[in-house]
Amino acid sequence: EPEVTQTPSHQVTQMGQEVILRCVPISNHLYFYWYRQILGQKVEFLVSFYNNEISEKSEIFDDQFSVERPDGSNFTLKIRSTKLEDSAMYFCASRASRNTEAFFGQGTRLTVV
Amino acid sequence: GESVGLHLPTLSVQEGDNSIINCAYSNSASDYFIWYKQESGKGPQFIIDIRSNMDKRQGQRVTVLLNKTVKHLSLQIAATQPGDSAVYFCAEILQTGANNLFFGTGTRLTVIP
Repeated sequence: EPEVTQTPSHQVTQMGQEVILRCVPISNHLYFYWYRQILGQKVEFLVSFYNNEISEKSEIFDDQFSVERPDGSNFTLKIRSTKLEDSAMYFCASRASRNTEAFFGQGTRLTVV
Repeated sequence: GESVGLHLPTLSVQEGDNSIINCAYSNSASDYFIWYKQESGKGPQFIIDIRSNMDKRQGQRVTVLLNKTVKHLSLQIAATQPGDSAVYFCAEILQTGANNLFFGTGTRLTVIP
């Protein structure tokens, strides 16, 4: 069964460092997303990406965040200068079309120390 | 952001009983709804979806009911099993704009053996 894969599963980084979270969406999907979940809280929308550009971004997705689809398979989230409050689970998701469900990866747990 | 909320943060049920998890949404432009299950340390997993032209949809042991008049969504799980213990999120998708998926707060379901 096709699945969204994310690496690494856990990333520990020092405050101020840059991190790149990687995702491989399902191959024939066209819509890509990043979500964040702080421990014990709800899943928060960060950004959506379609046709090689950002469709929408939330207030959380400030200038420290960027996304890229460098090739036909990877979808990355970069945080330029991490803050303690960036510690969370980050989920990548993809959808085949506007009228289908989103499939989520298992997440990357980011810990900023 | 969009407002999707849940009535109860926790729910405990006896194994074998039926579970009902409720969700309220506020945006009348939402026309596609999804229930996700999230087990500890994992990403959200699709359970069932429903479109706004339907009132009810059934899956294997799960039923989703949609009441557009009061903007209410519910997930019914029949004969709840220990493996159903998880956090359940409803999510809404607006068919306007970037067509993003927004999550509610989540309900933690605990099944008592």
